[in-house]
Formats: sequence, structure tokens, C-alpha cells
Amino acid sequence: DAMVIQNPRYQVTQFGKPVTLSCSQTLNHNVMYWYQQKSSQAPKLLFHYYDKDFNNEADTPDNFQSRRPNTSFCFLDIRSPGLGDTAMYLCATSRDRGATNEKLFFGSGTQLSVL
Amino acid sequence: KNEVEQSPQNLTAQEGEFITINCSYSVGISALHWLQQHPGGGIVSLFMLSSGKKKHGRLIATINIQEKHSSLHITASHPRDSAVYICAVIRVNTGNQFYFGTGTSLTVIP
Repeated sequence: DAMVIQNPRYQVTQFGKPVTLSCSQTLNHNVMYWYQQKSSQAPKLLFHYYDKDFNNEADTPDNFQSRRPNTSFCFLDIRSPGLGDTAMYLCATSRDRGATNEKLFFGSGTQLSVL
Repeated sequence: KNEVEQSPQNLTAQEGEFITINCSYSVGISALHWLQQHPGGGIVSLFMLSSGKKKHGRLIATINIQEKHSSLHITASHPRDSAVYICAVIRVNTGNQFYFGTGTSLTVIP
């Protein structure tokens, strides 16, 4: 059974039209991450939550926001998507952070296309 | 320059061949992960290493901390092994900061 679930699997939106991607987990993990992966590139960390503590990466555009209303759910909001935001968005979880024994559990990703 | 470099970028092998994918990194790390990403799919964690060697089925992962190098080996490769294999490291003193390589795209031909 999938433990990290992302919806939708594919999302098409228009330039400038807000879009929300969702991630849920059944692992009860403390940490949830959002990564952006463009074609043929490595995943890039956008931000993460450690419990309710939000941690933004320095180079994450202000256009990208996140919400974590409870342990199980985390949302990625793109307020005004641009063409350059077309990418795969990956959600991942880990039980804790920083420990050498932590594995990452990934969702299947949401492929976002901005037209 | 990326802190994590993988080689080769692309690899085509015949079914049954022994495959090696290499990862070199330039920063101090607390752990290294090998990940598998199928076309259009999500990412699956294969191994997490902080020293030595791990084996799971036909997959073997090794790490040499002094040389800042890790290898992923696939024995008796099969077409279903076709995927992108990604090396990711956790830098020391950065908490949860994972640094990813750009991946190695493996195609195994029947």
C-alpha cells in the first residue's frame, strides 16, 4: 500500500492561475519535504516541515508556499505559476531529520505543466 | 559544480550483465542514499549507507568515506531494472539537507 500519496498525478494549469498540489502520508513521520525536479535534473529541495516548523530554502521563489494542517497532509501552493515552473513535484517524508539512519519515503510525484 | 557527481550519465546493458554506477561527492556527509526512479514514476529508496557495504537481492551498494565515493552494483541485470538511479547525500551539520546527483539512466535490453 502506498505510504506517501500525491494528488493529482498530472496537473495542467494556465500561466498565472494558482494551483495546489497535495501530499498525504500514513507513516506518521515528523518531516515532510517538497522537491522540484525539472527534466534531466536532480531534485531540488523547496522547503520542509519538521512537525509544524516550516523551513524554507533560501532560493525558493516566494511564488511557492506550503501548508501543513496536520501530521498527515502537506500542500504545495503555487500562487502564480510561470512557464518555468513546469516540473515534477515530489513529496517525501522521513521519521526524523539529520540522523544517519533516516530513510526518505517518496510519493509518486505530480507532473505539473504550465501552459 | 554539483556537490554530487554520478557516472555514467547514461548506461545501456544487455540482460544478465553486471552493472556498476558510481557516485563521487565533494562534501562531508553523514549518510548516502541510492534511489531508483522509474519513468514517470516516483522515487524509491534502495539503500542508505554511512559505511561499508549493503546487499539487497541483486543490488549491492558500497561506500568509501575516505575517498568520498560510492558504487551501486546490479548483478544479473534484468529489463525491469531499467530506471534512473540517483545518489543523494546528507551533508554534515545541515540537518536534513539532501544533495542529489543528476542520476544515471539505465536501460537493460532483453
